[in-house]
Amino acid sequence: GAVVSQHPSWVICKSGTSVKIECRSLDFQATTMFWYRQFPKQSLMLMATSNEGSKATYEQGVEKDKFLINHASLTLSTLTVTSAHPEDSSFYICSAPLPPKLFFGSGTQLSVL
Amino acid sequence: DAKTTQPPSMDCAEGRAANLPCNHSTISGNEYVYWYRQIHSQGPQYIIHGLKNNETNEMASLIITEDRKSSTLILPHATLRDTAVYYCIVRVATGNQFYFGTGTSLTVIP
Repeated sequence: GAVVSQHPSWVICKSGTSVKIECRSLDFQATTMFWYRQFPKQSLMLMATSNEGSKATYEQGVEKDKFLINHASLTLSTLTVTSAHPEDSSFYICSAPLPPKLFFGSGTQLSVL
Repeated sequence: DAKTTQPPSMDCAEGRAANLPCNHSTISGNEYVYWYRQIHSQGPQYIIHGLKNNETNEMASLIITEDRKSSTLILPHATLRDTAVYYCIVRVATGNQFYFGTGTSLTVIP
């Protein structure tokens, strides 16, 4: 099946710093990608839709200035958590559609100290 | 918004069939039923999907009721590696977004 690669797998950063997470579709092109956030023992929450060549669309309640998304090519989307704070600590997961399925990366565990 | 209802947890004996129910009473005619599972601290994994006919693949079977208001995912011979959270999702064929509900945490017991 199709592969979505996500890096890094885990990251620890100091409060106030920014963290970039990369999501790549390895063997297919994706004009859209999706970013999810998951807190412990909770379900995945869709944060935003990344659109190649245009602005991302954010779900209600998600701060677009806090979570910067760039979809620079048909195989790469990045999520930057700006000025991270401890409450941003979470498991972030990207995904890319290859219809009719959606393929997921392995996730990034972010811990903000 | 999630449009499905699933029991929060289930147990299944190893080697037995695991039957995971999902209610989707407000499903539209053009919406498919998808099942994914998530093993702890990993990304979700696709299992199976269907519109109205029953489906089977190497991982599982999907049984959809005639009125399409509910479905059951069947893992025919559960193993310890099937312990995971199973999510039932409905979405239109032309849409891309997947909205996850709360899922069912399946524990396979030796």
